[in-house]
Amino acid sequence: SQTIHQWPATLVQPVGSPLSLECTVEGTSNPNLYWYRQAAGRGLQLLFYSVGIGQISSEVPQNLSASRPQDRQFILSSKKLLLSDSGFYLCAWSLTGAEKLFFGSGTQLSVL
Amino acid sequence: GESVGLHLPTLSVQEGDNSIINCAYSNSASDYFIWYKQESGKGPQFIIDIRSNMDKRQGQRVTVLLNKTVKHLSLQIAATQPGDSAVYFCAENTRANDYKLSFGAGTTVTVRA
Repeated sequence: SQTIHQWPATLVQPVGSPLSLECTVEGTSNPNLYWYRQAAGRGLQLLFYSVGIGQISSEVPQNLSASRPQDRQFILSSKKLLLSDSGFYLCAWSLTGAEKLFFGSGTQLSVL
Repeated sequence: GESVGLHLPTLSVQEGDNSIINCAYSNSASDYFIWYKQESGKGPQFIIDIRSNMDKRQGQRVTVLLNKTVKHLSLQIAATQPGDSAVYFCAENTRANDYKLSFGAGTTVTVRA
C-alpha cells in the first residue's frame, strides 16, 4: 500500500533562517505531489505541485520554493523565513490530477 | 472569483444523531467534489468523493449529496460517534484546473456525549 512520510512534525525557526521540509511517498510510481499550507483555523492553500521530476508549478508568489529531485521526493525550501511563513505545511500525493489527494501528517512551522 | 465555502463554521451534534455538513460552491464548471476529515494536528483524511454526473454517493456511514442546480454539496454522517469530532472540508476542482483542488474553510463538528 502507499504511504506518505513528512518530516519534521514540528519546527521552530528564527526569522531569516533557511527552511527545508521533506516529503517522500512509498508504494507508487510517478505520483503528482503537492505542498499546501494551512493557517490556524483556515482552509488549505495550494503552494506548489509537481507532475514529474524537476517539474514544479507555483501557485502563490512568495519566498518559498519547491524541488522534486526524485520521483517520490518533494522538498519545500526557503532561503530566509518570514514571520508570515508560520503555519501547518502539508504534503500530498495523487495519481489522477487533483482527484483524491492523500495527505501526510503535516509540519507545524513556527517562525519567531 | 470562484470559491468553495461552507455554510456554518461549527456544528454541535448529539452522539447517535445524524450530522449534515453543507458546502456551497460558485464555479459552475466544477466537476469533481471531495470531502476530507481533519483531526487536530493531523493531515486531512479522505472521506468520500463524487463526480458531477452523480447526485448521490454512499460510503460507510457517510453519504454525499450534490445539487448542481443550486451549487450545493452536503455530507451526511449517520449515527455520529465521538470519533467523528473533527474539522470537515469540502473541496472541488475542474478539468480546466486539473491539478488544483480548491478547499473550503472547514466546519468544526463537535459530538456531545
